[in-house]
Amino acid sequence: KQEVTQIPAALSVPEGENLVLNCSFTDSAIYNLQWFRQDPGKGLTSLLLIQSSQREQTSGRLNASLDKSSGRSTLYIAASQPGDSATYLCAVRNTDKLIFGTGTRLQVFP
Amino acid sequence: GAGVSQSPSNKVTEKGKDVELRCDPISGHTALYWYRQSLGQGLEFLIYFQGNSAPDKSGLPSDRFSAERTGGSVSTLTIQRTQQEDSAVYLCASSSNVGQNQPQHFGDGTRLSIL
Repeated sequence: KQEVTQIPAALSVPEGENLVLNCSFTDSAIYNLQWFRQDPGKGLTSLLLIQSSQREQTSGRLNASLDKSSGRSTLYIAASQPGDSATYLCAVRNTDKLIFGTGTRLQVFP
Repeated sequence: GAGVSQSPSNKVTEKGKDVELRCDPISGHTALYWYRQSLGQGLEFLIYFQGNSAPDKSGLPSDRFSAERTGGSVSTLTIQRTQQEDSAVYLCASSSNVGQNQPQHFGDGTRLSIL
């Protein structure tokens, strides 16, 4: 059974810092891995999707890497801003559904 | 274009009542997914549709839960004889096909509270 873990569970940093959020999964037979952002009371916003054959994806200040063999992904956020404050979820897909981690709650203070 | 739309955004009902939750996917998306997000369980898969058929219902927690999709578009998730443990946020997502490479796009969810 696929299990997805995210570390840390919560993170509070001053504005401007570079951040690394971690995601690990137990079954490396995945199709892809997706990073999401969730704001309070809202749904999920897709940030990046990495196919199983890819090593990384970049979008603006965000960079996600994937090491499928070791069951790990990282989300790197450069020059963090207060607007980045949210819960970040990773999810892996190895069938038709996504299996989610428990999330990292990020707070960036001015 | 418009994103995934869910209604109602909030629903409060008494234990034992039936509820219907609606999801309107992105136009043209053939795959539709239901997930549930609760405090104790995180985000968990319920069911997915490809067109109007549901090949995978493995996540439905009991026979009180059912879902249907008509016309390859709108889907309804029905919970009969609601229990307090059904309280959660129910999220719907759609993707352009069920293929492994397509990202899932989520709605804002329905927050269900059972009194």
